[in-house]
Formats: sequence, structure tokens, C-alpha cells
Amino acid sequence: AQRVTQPEKLLSVFKGAPVELKCNYSYSGSPELFWYVQYSRQRLQLLLRHISRESIKGFTADLNKGETSFHLKKPFAQEEDSAMYYCALSNTGKLIFGQGTTLQVKP
Amino acid sequence: GAGVSQSPSNKVTEKGKDVELRCDPISGHTALYWYRQRLGQGLEFLIYFQGNSAPDKSGLPSDRFSAERTGESVSTLTIQRTQQEDSAVYLCASSLVGSAKPGELFFGEGSRLTVL
Repeated sequence: AQRVTQPEKLLSVFKGAPVELKCNYSYSGSPELFWYVQYSRQRLQLLLRHISRESIKGFTADLNKGETSFHLKKPFAQEEDSAMYYCALSNTGKLIFGQGTTLQVKP
Repeated sequence: GAGVSQSPSNKVTEKGKDVELRCDPISGHTALYWYRQRLGQGLEFLIYFQGNSAPDKSGLPSDRFSAERTGESVSTLTIQRTQQEDSAVYLCASSLVGSAKPGELFFGEGSRLTVL
């Protein structure tokens, strides 16, 4: 079965510290993976897609098929990064989301 | 409006009553999704509509749940004989298949359902 696992419910770091939000998946086939973000009082929105290999707001994510992971990283966290982050996997058009991780960046 | 619109934003109902939640997707978006988010939990896939294809209903938790979509426009999610465990935020999203950003879903603000 297709599944997305985000093992951490809450990740708390200080401003300027590196951040890594973990995401593991199970999928038979070539996965399409995404990170979505929900800032306070805003709608859930796309942050980045693995296929585009882009860096958005300083965040990057590399697909590691051997470890079936798609961790989200940022070298220096900012207070405005505080939000809920969801990892998602595309399966025949529909997106399956993980449980989400709340990132709290302290001043 | 330009975004996905959901109504009502809040609904309080009594156990056993039926509720209907509405979603207006972005105009021209062929795909529409419903998700459920219980307190403290992730997004649970419910149903996916894509154009004129048969919907993917694999996420509907029971036969009390049903959803319809008229063409490529409005969708309604109906919950019959509501139970307390149905209390959650119900999120709708739409996307344009064939867009420059496949997999980019545009979400509504959600409908918060409370079953007493």
C-alpha cells in the first residue's frame, strides 16, 4: 500500500539552525513526491516538487530511492518558516499526505 | 473569486443528522479532491474527481459518505447519520491536469464540522 510517514509531529529549532523535516514513503513504482506547507491562518499550498529539483524559500528536498526518503532541508531556519509541513506522494493522480510536522523556529 | 471556495466554513450538527458540504473549485480545474483532517492528524484522502472519469472513492470511510460533482464545477460531500467521529475539517482542493506544475493542488479554507 502507498503510504507517507512523517515521524516527527513537532520540530523545534532556533533561528539560524539547520532544519531537516523527515519524510519516508512506501510506493511500488516511480514516485512523484511533494512538500506542502500551511502557514498560520493561510491555506495549504505547494512548497516544492521533487521532479523540478528546485529550491524554494531556501528549502530543498532530495529523493533517495534507496532509503525511500524525501527529507526537506534548509541550512538556516528563519522565524517565518514556522508552519505545518506535509509530505505528499502522487498515486495515479491523487495525492496521499503524511501526518504533517509542525516546525517551530524560535528567536 | 479566484480561489477554491468552501461552504459552510463552520457547521455544528447533532449526531444522526445529515450534512452537506460544498466546494467551488477554481474555474477550469478538471480535478477535484476531498480530504478530511481530524484534530491533531494528517490529511486523509476521501475522494478524487477527474473530468468525466469515474471518481476514485477509495478513501471514503463508510457508506454514510458520498460525493458528487457536476461536470467540472461544484462538488458536494454528503455525510449521512453523522457520528461524533466525523468531527473534522473537510478540505477541498482542485488542480489543472496538464498544468506546468503537475501535482499542485489549490486548497480551500475548509469546512469545520462538529458533531455533538
